[in-house]
Amino acid sequence: AQRVTQPEKLLSVFKGAPVELKCNYSYSGSPELFWYVQYSRQRLQLLLRHISRESIKGFTADLNKGETSFHLKKPFAQEEDSAMYYCALSGNNRLAFGKGNQVVVIP
Amino acid sequence: DSGVTQTPKHLITATGQRVTLRCSPRSGDLSVYWYQQSLDQGLQFLIQYYNGEERAKGNILERFSAQQFPDLHSELNLSSLELGDSALYFCASSPGGSTEAFFGQGTRLTVV
Repeated sequence: AQRVTQPEKLLSVFKGAPVELKCNYSYSGSPELFWYVQYSRQRLQLLLRHISRESIKGFTADLNKGETSFHLKKPFAQEEDSAMYYCALSGNNRLAFGKGNQVVVIP
Repeated sequence: DSGVTQTPKHLITATGQRVTLRCSPRSGDLSVYWYQQSLDQGLQFLIQYYNGEERAKGNILERFSAQQFPDLHSELNLSSLELGDSALYFCASSPGGSTEAFFGQGTRLTVV
């Protein structure tokens, strides 16, 4: 079964500081990984997918199969980045989520 | 707008009651997922349907059941409600079983 781990529940950073959200996974097959963002308990929105290797809103994430990680990074945090971030793994016809990271950006 | 519609948006009901939450997936999506999000538990996977059949089951209580109809909309039935069932219930849909999912706005259930 797949498992997604996001070790830090709450992350507070100052505006302009770098942000890194950790995501580790376990899955025996070839995973598809995603980051979702949720603002103020609204709907979850897709932020990034590993296959597209894109940068959205300044965020990037690289899949490291050796370390089974898919960490989310942004070099300079903005106040509008305050939200919940969920790492998700798609496999076995199911989308599994980590418990999420609450990011608070301090002005 | 993700294209996934959930009704109702808010629901307040008493303990012991039964409610039905409804989800209309994006046009063409065959897979529907249900998630529960409470303040202290994060996002919990409940159940997934694919083209009318149950595909995967997560931490879904026996008091809860779901189904997906021929027109692909889905309903989540919650019975014998308890205070602890108060949560946001999200539905998501995807074209297949192993791709990204698109979420509805959720149904906020309050059990009093």
